[in-house]
Formats: sequence, C-alpha cells, structure tokens
Amino acid sequence: AQTVTQSQPEMSVQEAETVTLSCTYDTSESDYYLFWYKQPPSRQMILVIRQEAYKQQNATENRFSVNFQKAAKSFSLKISDSQLGDAAMYFCAYRIRQGAQKLVFGQGTRLTINP
Amino acid sequence: KAGVTQTPRYLIKTRGQQVTLSCSPISGHRSVSWYQQTPGQGLQFLFEYFSETQRNKGNFPGRFSGRQFSNSRSEMNVSTLELGDSALYLCASSLRTDSYEQYFGPGTRLTVT
Repeated sequence: AQTVTQSQPEMSVQEAETVTLSCTYDTSESDYYLFWYKQPPSRQMILVIRQEAYKQQNATENRFSVNFQKAAKSFSLKISDSQLGDAAMYFCAYRIRQGAQKLVFGQGTRLTINP
Repeated sequence: KAGVTQTPRYLIKTRGQQVTLSCSPISGHRSVSWYQQTPGQGLQFLFEYFSETQRNKGNFPGRFSGRQFSNSRSEMNVSTLELGDSALYLCASSLRTDSYEQYFGPGTRLTVT
C-alpha cells in the first residue's frame, strides 16, 4: 500500500525568508504523480505544485519549488520569500499516474508566517 | 467557469440518522472523487466516479455509498450515522480519470451529535 509521511506537524518562518517542508512516500509503482496542496483556513484545497515521477527535473511554480529524490522517495517543498498569505496547512499527496484519481495524503504540516 | 460546488456547506445530524451530500463538478468534468477529512485520520479517499460508474472505493464501511448522475453531479450517502462520521467531506472533480489535476470544492462540514 502506498503511504505518505510528513514528519513536521508544524513549521514557522519569518516573512520573506525561505522554508522547506518535508515529505517521504512509499510505493512500489514506477509511474506516479506527487503533489503539494495548500489548505488555508477557508478549507479550500488548492494545488500548489505537481511533479511527474518520470521527470528528473524538479518542478517550479514561482516562489514554490520541489526537491524530488526518486530513489530516496523524498519530495520536499521549498517556499521562497514567504508571504503572510502562505500561512496554511500543506499536504503532500501521491497518486498513480494511470487508472485512478485516488490521492493518498500525508498528515499535513501547519505553516505559520511570522511578520 | 464556476468551480466545484458542494451542498450543504454545514450540516448537523443525530446519531442513527442518514445524510446525503451533493457535489456539482466543474462544467465538462466527468470524474468526481470524495474525501473525508478528520483531525485524527487526516484526509482519506472515499470513492471515485466516472461516467456514472464507481471506479475506486476506499476502505470505508458499507454505510458510506455514492452515486453519479448523467450530468456528472455526484451524491454521497451515509446511513446510520455515528459520532465518528463527523468530518469535513471534500469533493474533487477532474476532466478525465487520467487528468493530473483535481479541483476541490469548499467541503461540507458534517457534525453528528
């Protein structure tokens, strides 16, 4: 069974600084997606960034980037120039690429931005 | 284009009752998935529907059921409610089953007393 683990229940960072959220996963599949979702207090789940397992290049979306280490089954999220609006729960998620939309989520990391 | 809508947004039910939650996907999206979010168990997959057919089901008891209509709208039903069913129920839609992105609705907060 696939599992996703986020070992940091809470993180905090000063505004404008950089923070890295950790995620590890376990799967026997070779073709899959990894995602980071953000859930602000409104509870609306928002996709931050995705990574296809077959791509070696790390995904980047503006201030958000990932460090994808396939052999180590590690998928961390780096947020640069942190902003107050980045405060939220962040969930790492996994799904196989073909055949199912089922997402497997980690337990989440609560990110606080200190002004 | 309107996003995923879920109704009702909040619901209070009594143990033993049943409840039906509704999800309207983004126009044109044919795949709908449901998730349960609780403080203890986190986010767990309930089921996935595509073209009115259940494609996947999570590890939940038979009290949890769902369906999808020809217009892609989906409902989930929980019978004989238990206190532990109190949760945020999230619906997500995607264009196809192999689409990489799922768009989530705002959720339905169910409280069982």
